[in-house]
Amino acid sequence: DAKTTQPPSMDCAEGRAANLPCNHSTISGNEYVYWYRQIHSQGPQYIIHGLKNNETNEMASLIITEDRKSSTLILPHATLRDTAVYYCIVRVATGPHLVFGKGTRLSVIA
Amino acid sequence: DSGVTQTPKHLITATGQRVTLRCSPRSGDLSVYWYQQSLDQGLQFLIQYYNGEERAKGNILERFSAQQFPDLHSELNLSSLELGDSALYFCASSVSTGELFFGEGSRLTVL
Repeated sequence: DAKTTQPPSMDCAEGRAANLPCNHSTISGNEYVYWYRQIHSQGPQYIIHGLKNNETNEMASLIITEDRKSSTLILPHATLRDTAVYYCIVRVATGPHLVFGKGTRLSVIA
Repeated sequence: DSGVTQTPKHLITATGQRVTLRCSPRSGDLSVYWYQQSLDQGLQFLIQYYNGEERAKGNILERFSAQQFPDLHSELNLSSLELGDSALYFCASSVSTGELFFGEGSRLTVL
């Protein structure tokens, strides 16, 4: 799997948009960008994934740059329950297991 | 609720003992993955099964073993337990190898 780089921590005010960046400069053409989060010792939760087009679901939006070397996960209206560690992972869709890095610890502040 | 069920949720045992963790995947999912997360550590991949066959192996100790049964549930066996084996053990399942859905984990404490 291509390696990703994420900031270790970020803060966000409640109700504001949380923008979590991820660099994946060595991503291959058939590798997707996946985002997961882990809320305090719970099982990791799938958020969203994309190949090259921007994606949106009920949880978040994923913006992938045109050169695919970086992406941003956007939580449009962060709540206290969004406080978690967010993981950006790149892999082929039919690839092996997920390789988790250290992720970004997002703290949503009231 | 991810649909993945892990039992037991908590387990306390002594060094040298053996324990078995159980995972029931989501209905229809053929792949099962096991991960270990020690205190303040990242998620470490242990092993993957697909439809009863071992598909991939990660940082799994020789004292640990796993299997997936015909009904697709999986068990992770941990033997000769050491203090350092205390961790959260997560199981995940997927229908192909797309999104993984994780259970809530089994917290193992070795005293």
